[in-house]
Amino acid sequence: GEDVEQSLFLSVREGDSSVINCTYTDSSSTYLYWYKQEPGAGLQLLTYIFSNMDMKQDQRLTVLLNKKDKHLSLRIADTQTGDSAIYFCAASLGGSYIPTFGRGTSLIVHP
Amino acid sequence: DSGVTQTPKHLITATGQRVTLRCSPRSGDLSVYWYQQSLDQGLQFLIQYYNGEERAKGNILERFSAQQFPDLHSELNLSSLELGDSALYFCASSRLGLAMNTEAFFGQGTRLTVV
Repeated sequence: GEDVEQSLFLSVREGDSSVINCTYTDSSSTYLYWYKQEPGAGLQLLTYIFSNMDMKQDQRLTVLLNKKDKHLSLRIADTQTGDSAIYFCAASLGGSYIPTFGRGTSLIVHP
Repeated sequence: DSGVTQTPKHLITATGQRVTLRCSPRSGDLSVYWYQQSLDQGLQFLIQYYNGEERAKGNILERFSAQQFPDLHSELNLSSLELGDSALYFCASSRLGLAMNTEAFFGQGTRLTVV
């Protein structure tokens, strides 16, 4: 089955860029997602990328996909304290679109 | 607000008991997914229903079952509860038609505490 790995913590200063990295194992994953979970809340889809794309940009968010290395990253430009949350990387199970999640990266933004 | 409603928000129950968690998907969404989020296992996919039928199964225990009703709401039944079942249970929904939709919208979760 799919295995998705990501580092557990990232601490950055307000205004800096944050880069959250993720690796996955299933090369047939078609969709790759980034979700955000704020304290006490559900998961919110931030962005997704198809496996035939290398990059997707959406305002302050940039997703980079290295399909050869099965590596996905999320860059948040000009990180704000409101960006503090847990960020989940997810990859679709092979042949489907059901996201399999990593354990989440806690992003802490210091003023 | 994602449009996915889960009830109850919190549930405390004793070991050995049975509980039912309810999920109302977004209007028009045909697919419902259940996930379990625990500290040691992370976010685990349990099961998916599409238009009333089971579509995919993940790491769901035999003590757990789910169903999706004609009005598309779904229930997750957890029985013979153990301490280790304490977790946050999320429901998500997505719209499926002729073209796959890649977005799954999550509810706020039901926090289950087994004592």
